[in-house]
Amino acid sequence: KAGVTQTPRYLIKTRGQQVTLSCSPISGHRSVSWYQQTPGQGLQFLFEYFSETQRNKGNFPGRFSGRQFSNSRSEMNVSTLELGDSALYLCASSLYAFEEYFGPGTRLTVL
Amino acid sequence: QQQVKQSPQSLIVQKGGISIINCAYENTAFDYFPWYQQFPGKGPALLIAIRPDVSEKKEGRFTISFNKSAKQFSLHIMDSQPGDSATYFCAAASQGGSEKLVFGKGTKLTVNP
Repeated sequence: KAGVTQTPRYLIKTRGQQVTLSCSPISGHRSVSWYQQTPGQGLQFLFEYFSETQRNKGNFPGRFSGRQFSNSRSEMNVSTLELGDSALYLCASSLYAFEEYFGPGTRLTVL
Repeated sequence: QQQVKQSPQSLIVQKGGISIINCAYENTAFDYFPWYQQFPGKGPALLIAIRPDVSEKKEGRFTISFNKSAKQFSLHIMDSQPGDSATYFCAAASQGGSEKLVFGKGTKLTVNP
């Protein structure tokens, strides 16, 4: 069974721009979560979607948003990019409760 | 406030030795405790997980020990191998929590040959 896929793998943007990242979960998984990973803050939960509805949200500003489609694929969007948004953005899918399976991540660099 | 505290930050072990990584938590509502392994350039991979109704869980060379009264849990890697060199993260979750998984800061393990 294919794992979680994320596109693109690398992205370079400038401050003020917006960006959209995409995630395809493991087949059959209906929950998709997003995490931000930075050297300073570690792994932090952004939000979770289940059946196209946001189920949980972490402590991030409203510039971070997401959505989930009927096929469980998910996108996250970051508007008005700041230098501090440079990070590895990880998508995870799960079938059972908290058993998260992570994708390889999208490395976002904001210049 | 860091909800899950992980130590040490880095660990160097000789091949064949035992690697021990510790985590402590405050939120008694946590009821799921997984460990993840991450190699450079890869996403975290689920290694092993435990719930508070058991004190120990073993899968191959990896063992989780759980102490509910002390609110601590640890990962033991027996017969550590150079291929185990990676960053390890503990995490915690609770039903009804606002965050799906709360992670520790990670431990960089180096196993010398």
